[in-house]
Amino acid sequence: SAVISQKPSRDICQRGTSLTIQCQVDSQVTMMFWYRQQPGQSLTLIATANQGSEATYESGFVIDKFPISRPNLTFSTLTVSNMSPEDSSIYLCSVDRGIDEQYFGPGTRLTVT
Amino acid sequence: TQLLEQSPQFLSIQEGENLTVYCNSSSVFSSLQWYRQEPGEGPVLLVTVVTGGEVKKLKRLTFQFGDARKDSSLHITAAQPGDTGLYLCAGSPWGTGKLIFGQGTTLQVKP
Repeated sequence: SAVISQKPSRDICQRGTSLTIQCQVDSQVTMMFWYRQQPGQSLTLIATANQGSEATYESGFVIDKFPISRPNLTFSTLTVSNMSPEDSSIYLCSVDRGIDEQYFGPGTRLTVT
Repeated sequence: TQLLEQSPQFLSIQEGENLTVYCNSSSVFSSLQWYRQEPGEGPVLLVTVVTGGEVKKLKRLTFQFGDARKDSSLHITAAQPGDTGLYLCAGSPWGTGKLIFGQGTTLQVKP
């Protein structure tokens, strides 16, 4: 199994600013994923991050708004840029564990005021 | 766009009752997973079903994968308050490695 940590666990930010969320895995993984989740609701995939290549974004998400870095096989960051209250959400990273299964981090709860 | 329709979205039952959650799609998936999530935590994988018609049991939980690989169900027998949480089905479109999630079912089991 993989142990995934995220930093920060929560933050309150002002509109117009940016926040970078870190995701650290205790083992090397090929694919990492970033999701957004409104409290009590389902997960929406933002992008897939593979080491050594540009992240692949899902429809409705763009690199200028959600730049992603994947510098090595155990780490990734997601930045939420120029934030507005609509960006208030829980952001989760996950890693592929094979057979289409994923391990998830504990999430970062973001509130934008 | 492949979608997973999950129902019901909310379920509040008494301890000891049985329940079934459904996950349906018009698309075929290579596999379907069920996750459970508690507040402040990430989803935790309960089971993966990969073969059409497959049935898996995990203590009081029974999972089925439809013959056509388009739908799945989760049945809980004699629900307990510890079963309370958000249940999510997720499907992987062939060859993508990605997961598409259903809307989720919030289950509350009252003692």
